[in-house]
This record gives sequence, C-alpha cells and structure tokens, in this order.
Amino acid sequence: TQLLEQSPQFLSIQEGENLTVYCNSSSVFSSLQWYRQEPGEGPVLLVTVVTGGEVKKLKRLTFQFGDARKDSSLHITAAQPGDTGLYLCAGAASGAGGTSYGKLTFGQGTILTVHP
Amino acid sequence: DTEVTQTPKHLVMGMTNKKSLKCEQHMGHRAMYWYKQKAKKPPELMFVYSYEKLSINESVPSRFSPECPNSSLLNLHLHALQPEDSALYLCASSPQGGHLYNSPLHFGNGTRLTVT
Repeated sequence: TQLLEQSPQFLSIQEGENLTVYCNSSSVFSSLQWYRQEPGEGPVLLVTVVTGGEVKKLKRLTFQFGDARKDSSLHITAAQPGDTGLYLCAGAASGAGGTSYGKLTFGQGTILTVHP
Repeated sequence: DTEVTQTPKHLVMGMTNKKSLKCEQHMGHRAMYWYKQKAKKPPELMFVYSYEKLSINESVPSRFSPECPNSSLLNLHLHALQPEDSALYLCASSPQGGHLYNSPLHFGNGTRLTVT
C-alpha cells in the first residue's frame, strides 16, 4: 500500500501571506495530482505533475514534483480569502517502466483558512 | 458548474429505508467512481466501474449496491444503513477505463447523506 503524507493538516493565515503545503512518500509515483475542495462542493483538479523536477504555475499557485517523483509541494503566494478550502494531493502508483497503474492514493488533506 | 451531476444534494434516511443516489456525466468518460468522504478527510474509494463493468469494490458492505445502467449513469442503492454511514458521497469520472484508475478525476458536488 502506498502512503502519501500531507502536511500541515491545518493552516490558518492572514490575507497576503505565503504558504507551502507538502506531500511526501517513500514510494515513487508516476504522476501526482492536486485538488482543491470548497465547502459544499466536490474536489476540483488544479494540476497534474508528471515529470520529476517539474514545476507548474497556475497564477499565484506553484506546484513542484520532486526529482525522484516521491514528493510534491504546493506554494501559494499572497494568499486570498478565496483560496480557503481543503487541498488534496493524490498520487498514481508507478509500475514497470514508469507506467501508472492501480488506484489513486490521496493524502490526508490540508485545511487552509485565509482571513481577510 | 460541474460536469458531473449528482442527485439529490441532500438526503436524510432512516435505518430501515431504501434510497438511491444518482450520478450522470456526458463527457464520454469510460470510468466512473463512488467515493465516501467524512468531514475534513480525503475521499475514500468505494467502487470503480470501467466500461460499465464493476472493476473495483473496496470491500464495501453489501448495504451499498452500485449499478451502472449505461456509460453516462451511475447509481448507488442504499439499504439498511447505519448512522456511521452518514457522509458526503461523491461521484467522479475519468476519461480512460482499463487499468488506469488513477487518471485525473472530475468530481460531482456530492450527496450529503444523513442516516437517522
């Protein structure tokens, strides 16, 4: 069973601050997805990272995939109240030749609250 | 607006009731999923349908019975539930079937189920 450890579990910050959420594992993943879930809604895919060392930017959000494809981070610059939500990382297991197989493994989630 | 539609949005049922949750997608996706999510926790996989056939059952109790009438519809039939089954039930879809159950997911907004 592959595990994804996500930290911190809770994050409460003021508008304008920066923050980083981490997702770590001892297993290699062929890809890693980040989702955001707002209250009363389902998770929404933010990004998928596939290549080791990859960096993707989505406005004020920067996603990194570790060189060894065992970890990932989400950095938010100048957080806004609209960023409030549950952030989830989810990894796709890596099989032979780096192909993906099996089910997604979700991290435990980070509940982010940005105060005005 | 989500492209995966779930009904009803809220459901309250007694332990002796029989009810059904419905999910619909028209994106031509070939894999559909049921997840259960408790408050502030990540989604937990229950069932996966691939090409309208049940591919994964995560040892879910038989009081939950999935059904996939066609490639666009997914139902979850509920009977004799327990109060601890109260949760948000999320439906999701992904483009590919086969063994790739780890493609990025399109979630619906869920059904909030309360068992009394």
